[in-house]
Amino acid sequence: DAKTTQPPSMDCAEGRAANLPCNHSTISGNEYVYWYRQIHSQGPQYIIHGLKNNETNEMASLIITEDRKSSTLILPHATLRDTAVYYCIVRDSGGSNYKLTFGKGTLLTVNP
Amino acid sequence: DTGVSQDPRHKITKRGQNVTFRCDPISEHNRLYWYRQTLGQGPEFLTYFQNEAQLEKSRLLSDRFSAERPKGSFSTLEIQRTEQGDSAMYLCASSLADMEHYGYTFGSGTRLTVV
Repeated sequence: DAKTTQPPSMDCAEGRAANLPCNHSTISGNEYVYWYRQIHSQGPQYIIHGLKNNETNEMASLIITEDRKSSTLILPHATLRDTAVYYCIVRDSGGSNYKLTFGKGTLLTVNP
Repeated sequence: DTGVSQDPRHKITKRGQNVTFRCDPISEHNRLYWYRQTLGQGPEFLTYFQNEAQLEKSRLLSDRFSAERPKGSFSTLEIQRTEQGDSAMYLCASSLADMEHYGYTFGSGTRLTVV
């Protein structure tokens, strides 16, 4: 079972920031938070991951709370092409723990 | 194109027929995964290869399913005696073991419809 809880859907206006929340209250110390997204009819795409520090790359920013029980993915200037299902996943990156356990994710709809 | 390729993109088959899907991973990636995704759900893990060795199979992978990765390159997923419940998107992904920290690369999937 997925170890995360996400809202089923969110809307965002084009050009505005999209903030997607994720709860992972049972996360353990060696588990990372990963975000993937899936645009319709495509495979999931890796976005970003983090352990406890905030992270930023060319696609997004990841803010993880100090207690690590929740996180927020931020798309700073959402475009119509960001409309997708966003999955928050916790995963132990050590050793043989290679599986990703997806939940149902959040359907983000970016409106013009 | 250096991404993960899957063939075919779509397959419609009659119940009881056998089907085979192919996945070509990114060439230097030594790990390969198969996932299945049904409508409205996230992908579910099916099986994993490191090079040519199949190291884990999910209990979702019944004995009608078989996957191979000869020579550690491309992989095939075969479903024998298909059932309507096998209708789903079958996704392949690959990664480099010591770069897995940075996530997998997924293909666009093969959508199977069993009629």
